[in-house]
Amino acid sequence: DVKVTQSSRYLVKRTGEKVFLECVQDMDHENMFWYRQDPGLGLRLIYFSYDVKMKEKGDIPEGYSVSREKKERFSLILESASTNQTSMYLCASREDGTSGNTIYFGEGSWLTVV
Amino acid sequence: RKEVEQDPGPFNVPEGATVAFNCTYSNSASQSFFWYRQDCRKEPKLLMSVYSSGNEDGRFTAQLNRASQYISLLIRDSKLSDSATYLCVVNPYSGAGSYQLTFGKGTKLSVIP
Repeated sequence: DVKVTQSSRYLVKRTGEKVFLECVQDMDHENMFWYRQDPGLGLRLIYFSYDVKMKEKGDIPEGYSVSREKKERFSLILESASTNQTSMYLCASREDGTSGNTIYFGEGSWLTVV
Repeated sequence: RKEVEQDPGPFNVPEGATVAFNCTYSNSASQSFFWYRQDCRKEPKLLMSVYSSGNEDGRFTAQLNRASQYISLLIRDSKLSDSATYLCVVNPYSGAGSYQLTFGKGTKLSVIP
């Protein structure tokens, strides 16, 4: 089974703090993603990476950055957390862009910024 | 037109009922399609892929209509455990460079005793 692990499940941070969300996948997948999910808005793509050290902006990259130094690890960074970044963050991985390949999600990280 | 649209529901159905969800997509070149299930406060998980000829997995049947650009999910003999949000997912591109999938916002199903 594919395993996508998000190490931090529940976090409470103060406004202005730097926040790191870590994600590791164990299936040697090429592509990794960070989404946030908010009620009524569905899943929104923040950033994705299709290879080590490569990254692409998604639909809502503002206020976020990412790092992919190793193939299995994709980190999301909030440089200065704000209350509107309170959300559920989902990491995901996918083998490659070939049609038919499905996407696998981690269990999610619930971030509250106060 | 939104890329992937779903009726948000909620669909409240009694146990044993048959319920169907539809999902429309805007990109006619879309290549692959999936249904995901998401339980409350959990991550989405693959329920089933949708094939051109339609496919069935137990009580679940998925169908694709390329001409009308929609996919459907039929659940027969609903169980309480089917209560969840069902996400329609579309791969809008083809080839090795197609990284992203497009997600609908989901349809919420509540199965009532």
